[in-house]
Amino acid sequence: GAVVSQHPSWVICKSGTSVKIECRSLDFQATTMFWYRQFPKQSLMLMATSNEGSKATYEQGVEKDKFLINHASLTLSTLTVTSAHPEDSSFYICSASFGGPNTGELFFGEGSRLTVL
Amino acid sequence: LAKTTQPISMDSYEGQEVNITCSHNNIATNDYITWYQQFPSQGPRFIIQGYKTKVTNEVASLFIPADRKSSTLSLPRVSLSDTAVYYCLVGKGNLIFGKGTKLSVKP
Repeated sequence: GAVVSQHPSWVICKSGTSVKIECRSLDFQATTMFWYRQFPKQSLMLMATSNEGSKATYEQGVEKDKFLINHASLTLSTLTVTSAHPEDSSFYICSASFGGPNTGELFFGEGSRLTVL
Repeated sequence: LAKTTQPISMDSYEGQEVNITCSHNNIATNDYITWYQQFPSQGPRFIIQGYKTKVTNEVASLFIPADRKSSTLSLPRVSLSDTAVYYCLVGKGNLIFGKGTKLSVKP
């Protein structure tokens, strides 16, 4: 299947700093990628849809100025958590869709665990 | 988007067949049903997708009755490594995950 890779897989930062997470589609072009966050023992929560060459679409309640998304190429989307605080500590997962128009199958990255001290 | 309902958790033993059912009463005509598996600290992994009747791959089978208001993921002869959370998603490109079913396989 299609491969989506994230980097870094884990990061620890101090409160107030910014952290960038990269999401790459390795063997296909992804015009659209999706960012999720997942707290312990909870399900995935969709944060935003990243569109190549245009602004991201954020889900209700997600601060766009806090979570900056850039999708500059067909294989790379980045999520920057700005001025991170301990409550931003979470597991961040990206995904991309590959396949025919009726499948909607999602391929996920390995996830990036952010710990804010 | 069709809302899905799954059991919160299930227990099984190695070698048994496990069936996880997902209810999706308001599924739309064009909606597909997709199942994902997630291990701790990993991104979800696609398992199987179907529209109607039965779909089988090397990992699982998916049974969908004629009214399509539910679906059943069948895992044959589970092993300890099948312990994971299983999510059912309904809809073309549906991005919203429900709470999933936590499957625990015991020796």
